[in-house]
Amino acid sequence: EAGVAQSPRYKIIEKRQSVAFWCNPISGHATLYWYQQILGQGPKLLIQFQNNGVVDDSQLPKDRFSAERLKGVDSTLKIQPAKLEDSAVYLCASSQGPTNEQFFGPGTRLTVL
Amino acid sequence: GEDVEQSLFLSVREGDSSVINCTYTDSSSTYLYWYKQEPGAGLQLLTYIFSNMDMKQDQRLTVLLNKKDKHLSLRIADTQTGDSAIYFCAESKKGTYKYIFGTGTRLKVLA
Repeated sequence: EAGVAQSPRYKIIEKRQSVAFWCNPISGHATLYWYQQILGQGPKLLIQFQNNGVVDDSQLPKDRFSAERLKGVDSTLKIQPAKLEDSAVYLCASSQGPTNEQFFGPGTRLTVL
Repeated sequence: GEDVEQSLFLSVREGDSSVINCTYTDSSSTYLYWYKQEPGAGLQLLTYIFSNMDMKQDQRLTVLLNKKDKHLSLRIADTQTGDSAIYFCAESKKGTYKYIFGTGTRLKVLA
């Protein structure tokens, strides 16, 4: 079974530029999550989708971050415009079933200069 | 608050047992999880425990749960150099399945 796929793996941009990340969850997983992991910290949930609906986006900085999950499968996370403090690893995860085990992709490491 | 706390570092010798501790916040959490993160990689699920259990064993891993003290621990028997990584505990919020992650414990295994 293929795992969670993410691209790109690395991205370097200048502040005020835009960037987009892509995630393809495990086939059949209804729930998809985007996390931000700053160096030395645990992952912090940005947004949670159930199929193509948003369940929780309470920690998403909506003035600059947006996310969508078209057709309840793939998802994109966008930052526009980026700030220095957005430098982090962006992790995508998916889950299915009552035990809610989340399976993570390899992440995208973003550096904002 | 929503802080899930872990000690930052743990160093053990190869072949010894490692015990990584976690204090969580929400007594209504339904599941608690342990993840491993190696450098430059995503998080790998190691094991999880349902909140009505006290202990779960899976090969070299033993999870202990003390609900009264909201304390979770992960014991790794016969620790190997390949176990060197950062270990995160996470609690799953009842009703939302939202995870709250701990701060992570960096385990270093000395040969």
